[in-house]
Amino acid sequence: DIQLTQSPSFLSASVGDRVTITCRASQGISSYLVWYQQKPGKAPNLLIYGASTLQSGVPSRFSGSGSGTEFTLTISSLQPEDFATYYCQQLHTYPRTFGQGTKLEIK
Amino acid sequence: QLQLQESGPGLVKPSETLSLTCTVSGDSISNTFYYWGWIRQPPGKGLEWIGNIYHSGSTYYNPSLKSRVTISIDTSKNQFSLKLSSVTAADTAVYYCGGEHYYRSKNYYQIYGMDVWGQGTTVTVSS
Repeated sequence: DIQLTQSPSFLSASVGDRVTITCRASQGISSYLVWYQQKPGKAPNLLIYGASTLQSGVPSRFSGSGSGTEFTLTISSLQPEDFATYYCQQLHTYPRTFGQGTKLEIK
Repeated sequence: QLQLQESGPGLVKPSETLSLTCTVSGDSISNTFYYWGWIRQPPGKGLEWIGNIYHSGSTYYNPSLKSRVTISIDTSKNQFSLKLSSVTAADTAVYYCGGEHYYRSKNYYQIYGMDVWGQGTTVTVSS
């Protein structure tokens, strides 16, 4: 199975900050990586597919980059509604796998 | 607009079989470019992929659950289902159904991720 390791697991930041979350794959997955945002009590919401393409309706302050084994999700200027948990998932191979999540909290 | 809705018992006894159904509305389960799947989330923990099914009936399962999982599809009812046998307390979780969107043509393939989800249903395993 392909393991995904996210860092950090917890992130404390303020409104307006720029934050970056990293996802590392245990083997190359080309650009078959997606990012989700999950708020408490809700289903995850797809933010980015193909490692760097913004899903329709997602604010442009979100961006993704990377290929192969290292990927990043960046939020350029945190808004109050961005405080949530973020997950990466690889779609290169079965079984699909998720990172363990990064919880973004208000400082 | 594609919508998914999970249904099934919220309480299952240990050693019994968990059964959930996901009803798809807004399009035919056979006509869309989707792999239909199940994902779960234990209380306070992260997301765990359970498995996918194609409208053809082909299935892919998480190896850690494979011996206990069956995912099936009923195109006449526009539904797909999850069965998880011999459950224990460790199977207590919120269970989500979802659609993993893809596009395939002769020379092009793109997979977009799970862009449609049910709202999730809580299943507790307890006697």
